[in-house]
Amino acid sequence: AQSVSQHNHHVILSEAASLELGCNYSYGGTVNLFWYVQYPGQHLQLLLKYFSGDPLVKGIKGFEAEFIKSKFSFNLRKPSVQWSDTAEYFCAVNRGSARQLTFGSGTQLTVLP
Amino acid sequence: DTGVSQDPRHKITKRGQNVTFRCDPISEHNRLYWYRQTLGQGPEFLTYFQNEAQLEKSRLLSDRFSAERPKGSFSTLEIQRTEQGDSAMYLCASSLDRVHYEQYFGPGTRLTVT
Repeated sequence: AQSVSQHNHHVILSEAASLELGCNYSYGGTVNLFWYVQYPGQHLQLLLKYFSGDPLVKGIKGFEAEFIKSKFSFNLRKPSVQWSDTAEYFCAVNRGSARQLTFGSGTQLTVLP
Repeated sequence: DTGVSQDPRHKITKRGQNVTFRCDPISEHNRLYWYRQTLGQGPEFLTYFQNEAQLEKSRLLSDRFSAERPKGSFSTLEIQRTEQGDSAMYLCASSLDRVHYEQYFGPGTRLTVT
């Protein structure tokens, strides 16, 4: 069965620190990859997505992610976090033929001012 | 606001009662998904519609659960004889029918079964 692993359950950083959140998936075929963010009291929003092409994708609010096929990874990065980045971050995957998303368990990011 | 909407936002019910949730997708989206999210977990897929056809159901969707999308627009998710284990956030998402698509999520309905 396809699974998505986010190994960091809670990350605490100070403002201006760099961020990297890990995401690994288990499926070996063609995949589409997503990062969603859920700010406190708000619904899930798409941060960025990868379907094909350049493995380094840029999203909103200065976030980027790199798809490394050999490592089955799609890690999320941001060079300098802000207090407003405090949120829960979810990695999600779907296979080329499937419609539903398989989500990781999420990483709660707390940025201290 | 033309995003995905869900109603109600919160529902408290007693064990054994039936509940029904509604989802209104983004108007031009023909795909609609239901997910369930419990505390500390990511959303888990329940079922998916393309227009009015229910094309896929997860093993999580027991026979107490039923979903409909009668005219290919809004959808309802009904849970019969609720159990405490049904307490969760029920999320709806919609997307276009394209090769490269993204799912847009609604705010969810939080169900508490007492």
